[in-house]
Amino acid sequence: SAVISQKPSRDICQRGTSLTIQCQVDSQVTMMFWYRQQPGQSLTLIATANQGSEATYESGFVIDKFPISRPNLTFSTLTVSNMSPEDSSIYLCSVLNRRGPPSKGYGYTFGSGTRLTVV
Amino acid sequence: DAKTTQPTSMDCAEGRAANLPCNHSTISGNEYVYWYRQIHSQGPQYIIHGLKNNETNEMASLIITEDRKSSTLILPHATLRDTAVYYCIVRVALNYGGSQGNLIFGKGTKLSVKP
Repeated sequence: SAVISQKPSRDICQRGTSLTIQCQVDSQVTMMFWYRQQPGQSLTLIATANQGSEATYESGFVIDKFPISRPNLTFSTLTVSNMSPEDSSIYLCSVLNRRGPPSKGYGYTFGSGTRLTVV
Repeated sequence: DAKTTQPTSMDCAEGRAANLPCNHSTISGNEYVYWYRQIHSQGPQYIIHGLKNNETNEMASLIITEDRKSSTLILPHATLRDTAVYYCIVRVALNYGGSQGNLIFGKGTKLSVKP
């Protein structure tokens, strides 16, 4: 499976500021996904980031609030802009592995997440 | 993608088998059953997946009923480190040239393994 390095692992930020989260993959991947996990909740997809094109956002998420960059096939960033306490969540990136056939269990790999607290 | 229904929580004694059920009565013929788990403060981890045959790997076994409307994830000898939220996800196959897109997570089952 691909190995993902996600930074920072956690941060405490002031409301009104912005935080950029980085996701580095050890291999080239076409699709990268950004999820949000609010306290006590399941994962919700924010957007899909393909290299060379605009990110595709899910309903309820907009580019002005969560701008995404995807400069190459191994890296992506998610920015949480103009933060409020409601943005306090864990943010995770995920990639679709293409190493090996489906019968060998290839699928999605997730980063360890960024735990964001907005005060 | 088909919806799934899982119990909110389950307990299991350490060393015993943990059997986690999942209902997916609206599953389509080309949809697989995937299981992931999320240990506290970590990202989700792939466990196993299958289409219609039972599957086994080093982590778990997956039993899918003949009509494919439900499945059971089996951890044969649960340990304290298996305490996690387990997600059953149904979707079309992830393959090179085929379906794109994300995984849709439900609420999962919180498994607590107790000494």
